[in-house]
Amino acid sequence: GAVVSQHPSRVICKSGTSVKIECRSLDFQATTMFWYRQFPKQSLMLMATSNEGSKATYEQGVEKDKFLINHASLTLSTLTVTSAHPEDSSFYICSAPGDAGELFFGEGSRLTVL
Amino acid sequence: AQSVTQPDIHITVSEGASLELRCNYSYGATPYLFWYVQSPGQGLQLLLKYFSGDTLVQGIKGFEAEFKRSQSSFNLRKPSVHWSDAAEYFCAVRNYGQNFVFGPGTRLSVLP
Repeated sequence: GAVVSQHPSRVICKSGTSVKIECRSLDFQATTMFWYRQFPKQSLMLMATSNEGSKATYEQGVEKDKFLINHASLTLSTLTVTSAHPEDSSFYICSAPGDAGELFFGEGSRLTVL
Repeated sequence: AQSVTQPDIHITVSEGASLELRCNYSYGATPYLFWYVQSPGQGLQLLLKYFSGDTLVQGIKGFEAEFKRSQSSFNLRKPSVHWSDAAEYFCAVRNYGQNFVFGPGTRLSVLP
């Protein structure tokens, strides 16, 4: 199957700093990518849809100025958590749709804000 | 609106025993259905999917799932569980667009 790679897998930062997470489709092109947030022992919450060449679409309640999404190319989407605070600590997962209609997921990124 | 329920939050089975994880969905038409597995600290891996055709679908790692339209269910099964199957399992529904809705997940523990 298709491979989606996410980096970094773990990141620790100080409160007030910004953190960038990368999501790459390694062997296919993705005009759309999805960013999810997952709290401990909970399901995935869709944050936004990243669109190559246009603005991301954010879900209701997600602050677009805090969670900046850029889809720079057909294989790369980035999520930047700006001015991070401890409540932003979470597990962030990206995904990209395959040709057969399924989603392929990255390995996830664990963000800890001190 | 679409919704997915997984009635069992946590299931414990003995290694070698059979397994069935339940999934019910709410959707007007026949949806695209998926089961994913997530190991701790990892992303999600696709186990199997149903789009149309044979209602019993085979997946990876010896898993299978059966689509039952009359019950709006898509239960995941495995005849003999291995210790490495311990993980979180998510059922998901997709409409004709690319919008996925995930269930709350079922955590599987396997006793030696």
